[in-house]
Amino acid sequence: NAGVTQTPKFRILKIGQSMTLQCAQDMNHNYMYWYRQDPGMGLKLIYYSVGAGITDKGEVPNGYNVSRSTTEDFPLRLELAAPSQTSVYFCASSYLSGTGDQFYGYTFGSGTRLTVV
Amino acid sequence: GIQVEQSPPDLILQEGANSTLRCNFSDSVNNLQWFHQNPWGQLINLFYIPSGTKQNGRLSATTVATERYSLLYISSSQTTDSGVYFCAVRARGGSNYKLTFGKGTLLTVNP
Repeated sequence: NAGVTQTPKFRILKIGQSMTLQCAQDMNHNYMYWYRQDPGMGLKLIYYSVGAGITDKGEVPNGYNVSRSTTEDFPLRLELAAPSQTSVYFCASSYLSGTGDQFYGYTFGSGTRLTVV
Repeated sequence: GIQVEQSPPDLILQEGANSTLRCNFSDSVNNLQWFHQNPWGQLINLFYIPSGTKQNGRLSATTVATERYSLLYISSSQTTDSGVYFCAVRARGGSNYKLTFGKGTLLTVNP
């Protein structure tokens, strides 16, 4: 099925541990994003990418790193997990219009629920 | 940055009722989208609507860009409409291709 695939769905980490959240899309979308969702707070952008080899910080990048070596994959790395990183993480993708001034087709993955203890 | 406010924060309906959700934004936008997050957490794109009106079945949306608000209408609500509805915008003149999300409206439709 076409779409955005995130793994794992659930994870418990101990403080100071590291992990990588995987995200892959098969729609050939240019843009990919990582959001975190805290209860009652909506979605906050962590990092985004406009294409392979290009990434940029969002609103809440501290404690995270990303890479985009291919169009399809956009992993999110947590280096030293902290309780403040307990959240639900969503990966998303979208594509650029033909005129290059707009983006469409925003598609989200099913999320990763991360608990840091 | 641009601010997005959604109202009401919570809404409880009986099945069959109609509802209107509102999204106000603080600056001119050239991209506005509505999303539905179901009770299992999945986020679905409902509308891309930076201006004008669109309809999809029982749902419709209207954006009045000059007055900086958008409305999402749900008619004849069903229990499957329950969940959180998010409005997300991109400010006009924004240099990057990302959306800013509101905090959402939690809709509960009771049978």
